Amino acid sequence: EVQLVESGGGLVPPGRSLRLSCAASGFTFAHYAMHWVRQVPGKGLEWVSGISWNSGSRGYADSVKGRFTISRDNAKNSLYLQMNSLRAEDTALYYCAKGPDSNGYFERDNWFDPWGQGTLVTVSS
Amino acid sequence: EIVLTQSPGTLSLSPGERATLSCRASQSVSSRYLAWYQQKPGQAPRVLIYGASSRATGIPDRFSGSGSGTDFTLTISRLEPEDFAVYFCQQFGSSPPKWTFGQGTKVEIK
Repeated sequence: EVQLVESGGGLVPPGRSLRLSCAASGFTFAHYAMHWVRQVPGKGLEWVSGISWNSGSRGYADSVKGRFTISRDNAKNSLYLQMNSLRAEDTALYYCAKGPDSNGYFERDNWFDPWGQGTLVTVSS
Repeated sequence: EIVLTQSPGTLSLSPGERATLSCRASQSVSSRYLAWYQQKPGQAPRVLIYGASSRATGIPDRFSGSGSGTDFTLTISRLEPEDFAVYFCQQFGSSPPKWTFGQGTKVEIK
């Protein structure tokens, strides 16, 4: 069974940093692109970032570009999101999600399947 | 940027009834790049439909997707108690790669 387990969320003041992690199991992690998607509780969904199987290509939403960095460690079956210069509007539940195909390139993923349960990030003083 | 607008915002129906959910795009979307998700309270979204009309693995056949261009529909033929949830549509744009979601339709018990 594919499992994605996020961690690292918490309460942080504006301007500070946080690093999220996603532990993957049940599939060959190194073959798949991975993504971060966030959701303000009770609201809609926003794609945040994606990374290809070998970290060769990465993409970011305009709202986080220059502040967030996605990375992965295939030896540890783990995905990360380094979030710097956090703002109140970054407050959300952050999900990691797997690309559907083993093509491995995030820019070819048409949808996400499955998603983890999410880790909550709250940016507030 | 393509905007997806879902309607209605809330659908109040009884078990056994048919649910028809709409997703309208501000520009034409390739059917290949349109997906639907279900989200229950306290849970992550799960994909139901991809490529506008293909059911994901394990999804019951009471769920069906249709549409093309700017108008897409998710139909639940007979609502089961476990189908009361929020449904999102999502599209993928390739140049540059970008994924956008509709604001969601809540299907609630009448």
